[in-house]
Amino acid sequence: QPVLTQPPSASASLGASVTLTCTLSSGYSNYKVDWYQQRPGKGPRFVMRVGTGGIVGSKGDGIPDRFSVLGSGLNRYLTIKNIQEEDESDYHCGADHGSGSNFFYVVFGGGTKLTVL
Amino acid sequence: EVQLVESGGGLVQPGRSLRLSCAASGFTFDDYAMHWVRQAPGKGLEWVSGISWNSGSIGYADSVKGRFTISRDNAKNSLYLQMNSLRAEDTALYYCAKGSTVTTQQPYYFDYWGQGTLVTVSS
Repeated sequence: QPVLTQPPSASASLGASVTLTCTLSSGYSNYKVDWYQQRPGKGPRFVMRVGTGGIVGSKGDGIPDRFSVLGSGLNRYLTIKNIQEEDESDYHCGADHGSGSNFFYVVFGGGTKLTVL
Repeated sequence: EVQLVESGGGLVQPGRSLRLSCAASGFTFDDYAMHWVRQAPGKGLEWVSGISWNSGSIGYADSVKGRFTISRDNAKNSLYLQMNSLRAEDTALYYCAKGSTVTTQQPYYFDYWGQGTLVTVSS
């Protein structure tokens, strides 16, 4: 199964941009990754899915245009432009993986805590 | 508006059992697979279990296999997780999550999540 690696923390100033990275383990460069935002004390919220061609499908409900994704090689990126205070959250990436029994399950990265300065 | 409301968490001794429930509304419940995902204190997310729309396909993480049982009642728009032989490492916030597809036998993501119910396993 793939392993997803995320830096534990990131920071950006109000109004600036930041790019968060999720790195797939070797051999899984064709995998799509899903980004989830988790505000303090809340359940996660789907942001969008990304493959090497960029966004796959639609953004989650209420996700602003300031959020965008890119994919390259083993890396999947989430970029947030014009950062607002409400963007301060934990960001998790996840990827679904099909097991030998034709059952798909999801593996997650460790999450990145984004601090807005 | 999609709503997922978990309940049933609490403090339980190691080796004991607990049953979590998730009440769903705002969508056609039996059109989608459902899942449980947990988050230990200060840790990342861990998928626990998933069940297809008709309960025909069910899966578990290795960490809970043989101890946890997922089920659903489509007539009641409800999802359940029976947790037996609980261990300290099962301590976590348990989230109910709606899958983006009808089955667990195709790629999916979690498009809606509840607020979670806290399970603490301690003597």
